[in-house]
Amino acid sequence: DAGVIQSPRHEVTEMGQEVTLRCKPISGHDYLFWYRQTMMRGLELLIYFNNNVPIDDSGMPEDRFSAKMPNASFSTLKIQPSEPRDSAVYFCASAYDRGVNSPLHFGNGTRLTVT
Amino acid sequence: KQEVTQIPAALSVPEGENLVLNCSFTDSAIYNLQWFRQDPGKGLTSLLLIQSSQREQTSGRLNASLDKSSGRSTLYIAASQPGDSATYLCAVSWDSNYQLIWGAGTKLIIKP
Repeated sequence: DAGVIQSPRHEVTEMGQEVTLRCKPISGHDYLFWYRQTMMRGLELLIYFNNNVPIDDSGMPEDRFSAKMPNASFSTLKIQPSEPRDSAVYFCASAYDRGVNSPLHFGNGTRLTVT
Repeated sequence: KQEVTQIPAALSVPEGENLVLNCSFTDSAIYNLQWFRQDPGKGLTSLLLIQSSQREQTSGRLNASLDKSSGRSTLYIAASQPGDSATYLCAVSWDSNYQLIWGAGTKLIIKP
């Protein structure tokens, strides 16, 4: 298995531009998570899906952030308009529901820089 | 409030030593606890997951223990190697819905 695949690996954009981050979870995994990591705040859960349905988006910082999962093999996180304080590493992770929690599998992240 | 704490924030030890990383949590009614490692510029790799009903898990040179009553977990690394250098994070779930609370991590450096 190729693992969780995220693209792009790096994104540099100007303030006000739209940014779209992409994620392909591990095949067969029921859960998909979007995290943000910064030095100041550590790892923050933004939103997670179960069977393509958003379960909890309480971590999404503002209306500028939106996430979709149109099918079991693809998810996007969109920021519109982007701001410098959105600069961070964004991780996607997936997991398989076996009745008890199974380990999270993370992608290598997208490093976003907003200037 | 449910919190996860990892102390120290950084640790440097010579190669070959056995070492222990600590994770403490408030509220003993956890669902599970996971240990991860993160290498620079990479995502997190799951090392061990301990369910609430378990006391420990082992994988190779790694052993994670769980003591709910004291709100503590330890990650024991035997015969440390330079390749073990990474940041180690623990994450606790208090429900079955993958709502993880994360520690800030311990940055481990193994000196050759």
